[in-house]
Amino acid sequence: QKEVEQDPGPLSVPEGAIVSLNCTYSNSAFQYFMWYRQYSRKGPELLMYTYSSGNKEDGRFTAQVDKSSKYISLFIRDSQPSDSATYLCAMSAGGSNYKLTFGKGTLLTVNP
Amino acid sequence: NAGVMQNPRHLVRRRGQEARLRCSPMKGHSHVYWYRQLPEEGLKFMVYLQKENIIDESGMPKERFSAEFPKEGPSILRIQQVVRGDSAAYFCASSPSPSLIDTQYFGPGTRLTVL
Repeated sequence: QKEVEQDPGPLSVPEGAIVSLNCTYSNSAFQYFMWYRQYSRKGPELLMYTYSSGNKEDGRFTAQVDKSSKYISLFIRDSQPSDSATYLCAMSAGGSNYKLTFGKGTLLTVNP
Repeated sequence: NAGVMQNPRHLVRRRGQEARLRCSPMKGHSHVYWYRQLPEEGLKFMVYLQKENIIDESGMPKERFSAEFPKEGPSILRIQQVVRGDSAAYFCASSPSPSLIDTQYFGPGTRLTVL
């Protein structure tokens, strides 16, 4: 079983739709959860960062962490064509553990 | 403040040649991490370096791969005698501290193609 599982998609939605992206994980030591956005041929860019369980909102983006289920989500409201990218979840045990463990990424296309 | 810089952006090598990938961290960052992204795979941690020190190379293949971060100049990831399976995107990230998980900033990557 991989440490982090993420459906690679592709996911195609119309502009304005609510997008839900998800990852599951197996390592209960993970405490820090991140979502990165990666445009084609570019490096990953940090979108959201959450510590432990709970929700975090930033504009149109909401990150949720359910540690009891080992499940994290990213919601994008009012999706825009500029949101078209690959979304990567990443996790770390934190503290002195700097290694990020990534999912494979989900390719999202928002159609105008 | 310039971001993380990597060069070259694209590198083509024939089997058996050497590949050298460079990473200049963000200003003020003294911690560098290298990740590899194979086709259809997520990013995998390779190595963590501070200036003049390799802290953790647990993700590096045992042979042909090496990394350094000298006192002056960029961090270098070196792959000797490249094989087709080394074709991938190699990203470096930098941070001001290893414990600040949310401050690993990634460069644009070097895409290595081995013919």
